[in-house]
Amino acid sequence: EPEVTQTPSHQVTQMGQEVILRCVPISNHLYFYWYRQILGQKVEFLVSFYNNEISEKSEIFDDQFSVERPDGSNFTLKIRSTKLEDSAMYFCASRTPYGYTFGSGTRLTVV
Amino acid sequence: SQQGEEDPQALSIQEGENATMNCSYKTSINNLQWYRQNSGRGLVHLILIRSNEREKHSGRLRVTLDTSKKSSSLLITASRAADTASYFCATVSTDSWGKLQFGSGTQVVVTP
Repeated sequence: EPEVTQTPSHQVTQMGQEVILRCVPISNHLYFYWYRQILGQKVEFLVSFYNNEISEKSEIFDDQFSVERPDGSNFTLKIRSTKLEDSAMYFCASRTPYGYTFGSGTRLTVV
Repeated sequence: SQQGEEDPQALSIQEGENATMNCSYKTSINNLQWYRQNSGRGLVHLILIRSNEREKHSGRLRVTLDTSKKSSSLLITASRAADTASYFCATVSTDSWGKLQFGSGTQVVVTP
């Protein structure tokens, strides 16, 4: 069964550093998403991406965040200057009209 | 306002029993989905029910949707220890690009 692949599975970074979280969505999916889940809290929508541009973003997705699909396969989330409160699980998802597939997540720890 | 709130927050049952959890939401939806998450792991899609559907089955799962009450229920029949996980409902609103709005989840523990 096709999978959404996320790398790395765990990243530790110092506050103020830039991180790039990577995702390989399912190849024939057209809609891509990033979500995050702070430990013990609900999953929160960050951004949706369609046709090589952002289609919707949440209040969380401020100027320190950006997304890219640089080569037609990878889908990346960049956090420019990480804060302690960015520590969370970050999930990538892609979808067709029939359903969503989530990656297994990247656990980001900001120290 | 909260979208997709589950009830109960936690549920403890024995193997073989049925587990029922409920979800309420506030906006008009395109569809409602249920996901499962094992501790510290990814989200696994269980079932999707569209706004024009009232009931759906998948294996031991049964989902109902009542759009007039803006609520859904997930029933797991004949539960197993392996069903121990957190279960989340998530809605897709009619005015969105397919973004999922998750509830806080129901933590289910099934003891052998």
